[in-house]
Amino acid sequence: SAVISQKPSRDICQRGTSLTIQCQVDSQVTMMFWYRQQPGQSLTLIATANQGSEATYESGFVIDKFPISRPNLTFSTLTVSNMSPEDSSIYLCSVSRGAEQYFGPGTRLTVT
Amino acid sequence: GQSLEQPSEVTAVEGAIVQINCTYQTSGFYGLSWYQQHDGGAPTFLSYNGLDGLEETGRFSSFLSRSDSYGYLLLQELQMKDSASYFCAVPTGNQFYFGTGTSLTVIP
Repeated sequence: SAVISQKPSRDICQRGTSLTIQCQVDSQVTMMFWYRQQPGQSLTLIATANQGSEATYESGFVIDKFPISRPNLTFSTLTVSNMSPEDSSIYLCSVSRGAEQYFGPGTRLTVT
Repeated sequence: GQSLEQPSEVTAVEGAIVQINCTYQTSGFYGLSWYQQHDGGAPTFLSYNGLDGLEETGRFSSFLSRSDSYGYLLLQELQMKDSASYFCAVPTGNQFYFGTGTSLTVIP
């Protein structure tokens, strides 16, 4: 298994600003994943973060909007840049152990 | 791309059995997973089918048919605490993609 923490747990931000979400894992992992979950919706993969290389973004997500850092094997950050109300969502980081994924508690973001 | 379709909502009576279906179209298919998510919580892993057939874990079972691109999650002896959203998911290479999700409501 894996224990994952995220900070902040929630935030209310003004449009046009940026928020950086931190994700910490209790053990070293090669890949970390960032998801977005809009209210009542499924999880959408934003990007995969590998240590020592550029993150791989899914279709519809770009680095300028969602820059990701992966400075070591237990930590990653996701920044939501130049926010708009459409960015209001829950952001989750996760890691995999074989076929199982483990998720952090999520960051609930509201953009006003 | 990846497509995993589920019924959006299911309602069942406490103590009953309910089946949640998942039909998928993916590339590089390795198997089918199921996750449970309570309101305000993170998804938690329930089961994984790497091969065709039925996998049983306590009150929960999961089934996969690769030839039909279809799987289901079976919940038996439903309890009120089973009210949650359920997602099927596929690992494809290094990524995981999630189904549209099914909101299960258990009623007394």
